[in-house]
Amino acid sequence: AQKVTQAQTEISVVEKEDVTLDCVYETRDTTYYLFWYKQPPSGELVFLIRRNSFDEQNEISGRYSWNFQKSTSSFNFTITASQVVDSAVYFCALSEARNTDKLIFGTGTRLQVFP
Amino acid sequence: DVKVTQSSRYLVKRTGEKVFLECVQDMDHENMFWYRQDPGLGLRLIYFSYDVKMKEKGDIPEGYSVSREKKERFSLILESASTNQTSMYLCASSFPAGGPTDTQYFGPGTRLTVL
Repeated sequence: AQKVTQAQTEISVVEKEDVTLDCVYETRDTTYYLFWYKQPPSGELVFLIRRNSFDEQNEISGRYSWNFQKSTSSFNFTITASQVVDSAVYFCALSEARNTDKLIFGTGTRLQVFP
Repeated sequence: DVKVTQSSRYLVKRTGEKVFLECVQDMDHENMFWYRQDPGLGLRLIYFSYDVKMKEKGDIPEGYSVSREKKERFSLILESASTNQTSMYLCASSFPAGGPTDTQYFGPGTRLTVL
């Protein structure tokens, strides 16, 4: 069965610290897609990244980076030099090739960055 | 920019009332989705639609129905609201699955309270 686990319910850091949000997924499909979304206090989910299962290259976008490891079924998200504006709930999600219209979400990790 | 709008940010209704939540997208997306978000449970899919007048049940359709008369608009209907439907409701839209453009984009959410 497909499942996404975000074991960290809440993380608090001080500005400029690096922080990693963990995401572990389960799927029987060999082709699947992984996503990260950010939900700031305003409520809207903001799309951050989409990766397919055949592309294990790590990705960096500014202060954000993602580490995709199929061997451990993980797709972790690191924020370097965190800022107060990074405070939000972050969701990891999975969709499978046989049913890519359906997104399976983790329960989210609330990140609080203090000045 | 993708724009998904929801008719209300906050809504308070009484038990037994019929409730309509409206969602409009301006990107000509075929797919539209309704989720509910509850603490500790992440996002759960209620219904989705892949075309006008087409709908598919998600993981938790009980107590809800939907309507899609026009491509840009997707309505969620609570026929007889109950207190356990108090939640945050999020609408999303996307192009059809299978390509790099099938990412779901979300609206700002409607926080519904049923008294």
